[in-house]
Amino acid sequence: QSVLTQPPSVSGAPGQRVTISCTGSSSNIGAGYDVHWYQQLPGTAPKLLIYGHINRPSGVPDRFSGSKSGTSASLAITGLQAEDEADYYCQSYDSSLSGPLFGGGTKLTVL
Amino acid sequence: EVQLVETGGGLIQPGGSLRLSCAASGFTVSSYYMTWVRQAPGKGLECVSVIYSGGDTYYADSVKGRFTISRDNSRNTVSLQMNSLRAEDTAVYYCARGDRGLDYWGQGTLVTVSS
Repeated sequence: QSVLTQPPSVSGAPGQRVTISCTGSSSNIGAGYDVHWYQQLPGTAPKLLIYGHINRPSGVPDRFSGSKSGTSASLAITGLQAEDEADYYCQSYDSSLSGPLFGGGTKLTVL
Repeated sequence: EVQLVETGGGLIQPGGSLRLSCAASGFTVSSYYMTWVRQAPGKGLECVSVIYSGGDTYYADSVKGRFTISRDNSRNTVSLQMNSLRAEDTAVYYCARGDRGLDYWGQGTLVTVSS
């Protein structure tokens, strides 16, 4: 089954560092396909946060960073701020589906 | 400035049809892959359909045989024809441009399938 698994929720206090994992398989992340991350603030459309595992689009603060290892990827947020409270999604391509695949999403709560 | 504007959503009875349109400005749709992503109420994101620059298409299994994606280069638009709609198709439908990731998104249009 083609799935990207994310924790349903993570939390952290302002100023802290949090990470969100995205676990895939040999048909997606493990096959070398790019991993992208999106931030969705309440009531708004998703926004591209990280593309190609580690790259930030113009305007995205360097507090956000991505990494990849094997069949997993991670999003790290440092210096947590109240405005970071949102849903975060990873996305890749899956060769079994022959199409794009999203993770289930992770809700970040800033305590 | 890149903009994507979706139209065509609304309330439709089960079994009915609806056509969504995505009007693009600031770029040429035929030069990128264009994606329809939906989000059911309180749920995550699901890629429904993609049309690639070369014309190839992708459909999620959940919509295969019922939805058709198309592109009108002269109008710079992408459309999603949705037939045999089901209650589980109820969602906000987003149009997104694909390049290095889905880098631009529309505001979304709500489709409600209910009797």
